[in-house]
Amino acid sequence: NAGVTQTPKFRVLKTGQSMTLLCAQDMNHEYMYWYRQDPGMGLRLIHYSVGEGTTAKGEVPDGYNVSRLKKQNFLLGLESAAPSQTSVYFCASMDRGNQPQHFGDGTRLSIL
Amino acid sequence: RKEVEQDPGPFNVPEGATVAFNCTYSNSASQSFFWYRQDCRKEPKLLMSVYSSGNEDGRFTAQLNRASQYISLLIRDSKLSDSATYLCGTGGGNKLTFGTGTQLKVEL
Repeated sequence: NAGVTQTPKFRVLKTGQSMTLLCAQDMNHEYMYWYRQDPGMGLRLIHYSVGEGTTAKGEVPDGYNVSRLKKQNFLLGLESAAPSQTSVYFCASMDRGNQPQHFGDGTRLSIL
Repeated sequence: RKEVEQDPGPFNVPEGATVAFNCTYSNSASQSFFWYRQDCRKEPKLLMSVYSSGNEDGRFTAQLNRASQYISLLIRDSKLSDSATYLCGTGGGNKLTFGTGTQLKVEL
């Protein structure tokens, strides 16, 4: 019973490098989300998707891009990593409106 | 004012105690309310949804006060294993806004 799976679990990047974080869910959920969590800041929404082929900006979208080409996958891209993007990234999915979100186990990203 | 606010704590309580947390929200149009539990360096896990009539799950009771715009979580007979950070999430439609969490430490 996988639920929401994030890849990779840990990554260290140098400033200016690019990378893609993958989120996959096997619950056939319509909505998917990318958050970052920093000490004292709580969960902040980066981008989200309300269905296959759709994306929308959240609270802190700058420096990130996303794609949802398949319903089960939601990719988060960093084109040119910056130290300020060092964080723990969580992906979540939701079945439909006003339902709880279910989280993956996170990606710990450090940018030097 | 933050959209969702929680006392960060920590709340240090002895095992067996009853402890309660509140979470205030500013958006009066919020329709959905949840409590999540987050252990250190782990993902948030759904603890319970919060319904208008209040709801209980074992030692945990959640309530919603729409007039004063807050939700509460009551934990009875605290266990060492209840030590964690408790996040509230509120929203409507397709998004949730989370508080920064309240840290609970249950001690012997």
